[in-house]
Amino acid sequence: DTEVTQTPKHLVMGMTNKKSLKCEQHMGHRAMYWYKQKAKKPPELMFVYSYEKLSINESVPSRFSPECPNSSLLNLHLHALQPEDSALYLCASSHGGGAGGYNEQFFGPGTRLTVL
Amino acid sequence: SQQGEEDPQALSIQEGENATMNCSYKTSINNLQWYRQNSGRGLVHLILIRSNEREKHSGRLRVTLDTSKKSSSLLITASRAADTASYFCATSGGGGADGLTFGKGTHLIIQP
Repeated sequence: DTEVTQTPKHLVMGMTNKKSLKCEQHMGHRAMYWYKQKAKKPPELMFVYSYEKLSINESVPSRFSPECPNSSLLNLHLHALQPEDSALYLCASSHGGGAGGYNEQFFGPGTRLTVL
Repeated sequence: SQQGEEDPQALSIQEGENATMNCSYKTSINNLQWYRQNSGRGLVHLILIRSNEREKHSGRLRVTLDTSKKSSSLLITASRAADTASYFCATSGGGGADGLTFGKGTHLIIQP
């Protein structure tokens, strides 16, 4: 199975809502990532998890809270978002095999988030 | 951050022609990768070239890397309508679990 799945595909939420994005992979990858992509822009890295521990946080506002319950799952908890947070949120995974490895990444289809 | 710049930003060619996209980056890298994205969906990994490699081929794709100029190019030969997509270069400063920094991308349109 070489697929990364993301749910939901679309999400509309108000600024006072709490919601979660989910990502799953069954490739045995030990590194997982969240990226944010605005329309007509490149993806921007948000978080990196390595062996289920947060290793990189690209100064993301605290209204985004990542969680890695196990090696196959990655969540992104959303709370008190702003309209400018509307974007495509992409999850990815890679082998994560140490500093000598190469991080070819497998991406999910994304969750298109709209904040009203 | 290692922001990549790509040119052209948009490219329209006839089916069967070759398409060349260029990417420049700013700092030292471990590897450079190219990805394709169709209509705002997930990205698909195309090819990875290591910092000690100069050229790599995969099917109709040819990638070059010039670390002295901090630049890379992606050549797609014998283009097909299905190649219509956005193409991004992405750099990584480390291996293993390192996030990618993407270039601005080239939107390629293949005219039938």
